[in-house]
Amino acid sequence: GDSVTQMEGPVTLSEEAFLTINCTYTATGYPSLFWYVQYPGEGLQLLLKATKADDKGSNKGFEATYRKETTSFHLEKGSVQVSDSAVYFCALMKNRDDKIIFGKGTRLHILP
Amino acid sequence: GAGVSQSPSNKVTEKGKDVELRCDPISGHTALYWYRQSLGQGLEFLIYFQGNSAPDKSGLPSDRFSAERTGGSVSTLTIQRTQQEDSAVYLCASSLRQGEQFFGPGTRLTVL
Repeated sequence: GDSVTQMEGPVTLSEEAFLTINCTYTATGYPSLFWYVQYPGEGLQLLLKATKADDKGSNKGFEATYRKETTSFHLEKGSVQVSDSAVYFCALMKNRDDKIIFGKGTRLHILP
Repeated sequence: GAGVSQSPSNKVTEKGKDVELRCDPISGHTALYWYRQSLGQGLEFLIYFQGNSAPDKSGLPSDRFSAERTGGSVSTLTIQRTQQEDSAVYLCASSLRQGEQFFGPGTRLTVL
């Protein structure tokens, strides 16, 4: 079945470090891909998305590129801040089905 | 309100009791989704409504779980004869058809 695999955390970085959180997916067809973020004590929010191959989603300095050849959607940020500390979820949606399939989440800690 | 609201925010119940969880979607959103977030399983899809009908109930874990939606708006997720493994955060999301899903803050259910 369809699934999303992302690197396990927690990931701990110093402020201003470069961030990569790996995500790969298994799905038939052409799913849309997402990164969601859950800040401490808050609800789940969409961070960025890409709907077709080679699309790049970006928001708040984060980027991810939809790579169909490697079935990947890695999240990157050039310089992280303490305020980026959160749990990040990679996800896919089969456009016909509408439901979102999530990875297990990666907890990110940024140290000042 | 502007966002998806859920009630109660926290629910503690005894094993074997029934519980009802409520979701108020964003006004005008035709699609409504229930997900469950638990430590062992991550974020799992439960059920999806388009209007008042549920074309996809594939994620409901057992026949103890049911959901309904009335008037194309409020939805109730009911868990009968709760078990300890039902303890989780239950998230509701709404969207326009195949649009971005907006998540509520969740209901934390604890079954003693």
